[in-house]
Amino acid sequence: KNQVEQSPQSLIILEGKNCTLQCNYTVSPFSNLRWYKQDTGRGPVSLTIMTFSENTKSNGRYTATLDADTKQSSLHITASQLSDSASYICVVTPVLSGGSYIPTFGRGTSLIVHP
Amino acid sequence: EAGVTQSPTHLIKTRGQQATLRCSPISGHTSVYWYQQALGLGLQFLLWYDEGEERNRGNFPPRFSGRQFPNYSSELNVNALELEDSALYLCASSLEGYSNQPQHFGDGTRLSIL
Repeated sequence: KNQVEQSPQSLIILEGKNCTLQCNYTVSPFSNLRWYKQDTGRGPVSLTIMTFSENTKSNGRYTATLDADTKQSSLHITASQLSDSASYICVVTPVLSGGSYIPTFGRGTSLIVHP
Repeated sequence: EAGVTQSPTHLIKTRGQQATLRCSPISGHTSVYWYQQALGLGLQFLLWYDEGEERNRGNFPPRFSGRQFPNYSSELNVNALELEDSALYLCASSLEGYSNQPQHFGDGTRLSIL
């Protein structure tokens, strides 16, 4: 069974500090790994999309890395801001096989940034 | 550019009733995806429509169904509602189906079953 595990479940940091969120997956082979940011009461917003052949992808202060050998991805947030307070979700989409497309979502990391 | 819009924002139903949720994708997007986000659980894939056809469905019973119209808008129907169907239902759209294109989400319909 495909699984995506995220850690930590929740994280509290001070404004201006950096942090790293982890995503471990079992989906293999996979087409892409995505990180989303979801503010409370809103739909997720795409941060990064990486294929299995990519090692890193940046979007402003957000940098995602991927190690396909260990099946791990991380999302690094630099110089955190209050607006970074949100849930961060990792999702892995398998290679399309026999018409099957069922992405597997992690349960997310809840990040709170304090002033 | 208008984003993905979903209606209604909130929907309250009782057990056994039927619910219809609607989604308008971003202009030019042909693929529409439906997801369920139950409290305390991760998002789960429900359905994928592309060019008017159902391309795939997740591990949900047949009482979850939908369709995509010629203008690429979509609706999700849930029959014989059960208490466990209470959740946020999210719709997303993308330029191409099953690709590395980003999916753009709406803010969802909160379905509550009494």
